[in-house]
Amino acid sequence: AQTVTQSQPEMSVQEAETVTLSCTYDTSESDYYLFWYKQPPSRQMILVIRQEAYKQQNATENRFSVNFQKAAKSFSLKISDSQLGDAAMYFCAYEGRDDKIIFGKGTRLHILP
Amino acid sequence: GAVVSQHPSRVICKSGTSVKIECRSLDFQATTMFWYRQFPKKSLMLMATSNEGSKATYEQGVEKDKFLINHASLTLSTLTVTSAHPEDSSFYICSARDGFQYEQYFGPGTRLTVT
Repeated sequence: AQTVTQSQPEMSVQEAETVTLSCTYDTSESDYYLFWYKQPPSRQMILVIRQEAYKQQNATENRFSVNFQKAAKSFSLKISDSQLGDAAMYFCAYEGRDDKIIFGKGTRLHILP
Repeated sequence: GAVVSQHPSRVICKSGTSVKIECRSLDFQATTMFWYRQFPKKSLMLMATSNEGSKATYEQGVEKDKFLINHASLTLSTLTVTSAHPEDSSFYICSARDGFQYEQYFGPGTRLTVT
């Protein structure tokens, strides 16, 4: 069975600084998707970034980028120029052949003004 | 972008009663919908997968007789919590897969409180 591990329950970063959230996963599949979702206090899940496993190039979305290491099964999220609105719970997630999304336990990110 | 709605957003019910939660894809056809449960300050736990016109597939440990799922159309799935008890109180989130775009979109969630 696939698993997703986020080892940082909470993190803090100064506004305008850069922060990296860690995620590792385990799977025997070769083709899959990885995601980072943001969940603000409203509880609405917001897709931050998506990575297809077959793509070697790391996905980027404006201030958000990932470091995808397929062999190491690692998928970290880097947030540059952190803003107050980035404060939220961040979930790393995996989607395999069965289309089910498996979530990590999440990392609560605090932005310090 | 694609929108998924849930109704109601909040519901309070008495122990022993049943409550139905609706999940709708507003601007796309959802071949598959998923139901998640989220406890406070915890992650999302997949409960079941529903495909239009067929029986839902439940994850291990989820009681299918307690959590009835119906996916009667390509835009609507319902979750009915039967004979609710206080331990069923939780945040329930649905997601819907767009059959053409192959993307999955999340609803805003429903907070269920059983008194």
